[in-house]
Amino acid sequence: GAVVSQHPSRVICKSGTSVKIECRSLDFQATTMFWYRQFPKKSLMLMATSNEGSKATYEQGVEKDKFLINHASLTLSTLTVTSAHPEDSSFYICSARDRWGGDEQFFGPGTRLTVL
Amino acid sequence: AQSVTQLGSHVSVSEGALVLLRCNYSSSVPPYLFWYVQYPNQGLQLLLKYTTGATLVKGINGFEAEFKKSETSFHLTKPSAHMSDAAEYFCAVSGRGKLIFGQGTELSVKP
Repeated sequence: GAVVSQHPSRVICKSGTSVKIECRSLDFQATTMFWYRQFPKKSLMLMATSNEGSKATYEQGVEKDKFLINHASLTLSTLTVTSAHPEDSSFYICSARDRWGGDEQFFGPGTRLTVL
Repeated sequence: AQSVTQLGSHVSVSEGALVLLRCNYSSSVPPYLFWYVQYPNQGLQLLLKYTTGATLVKGINGFEAEFKKSETSFHLTKPSAHMSDAAEYFCAVSGRGKLIFGQGTELSVKP
């Protein structure tokens, strides 16, 4: 149980295009999902907290207009990187918290974004 | 505010040797503490967690960690390293519903 999927696992796009990454909780309901960014050999940086049915809460320094987050259902959150540039290339990981399950977060497998 | 410090960005052990990965935390409230493992190009997998109760926590793959409030530590250990343990390990503390991660420790296992 407690499986989180991400799609796509890997994406390559041209500079200036937008990319959407999906995060799904497969066997539980998640009122809260989190989006992280991870640079090579670095720790996870929390970008935003996504709450079902409401606006995401962004961490300081994260551009909300560039990283659009939608959490339209209890099992799906999406991150859209708008007008992507090479500096947006990174490993993006989502996690989800079971609405009945306390503090534990279940992590997706990550999405490798490369912007050319 | 909560914070986590992992001592040593890289630890190398021989197969069969003791694994010790160090984690110290700072928290203004009783902490929930976690250890995660990450294999290359993958997400994070929970090894173990401490919330309340017994201070020695056993996790998957033979790992365990001991919560020591007096030392504000939550070190991860495994008696005998296996080649498959080579990975990145993250200690984390839960604060205001968020996870605050340490910098990570890369574990290498030599044959």
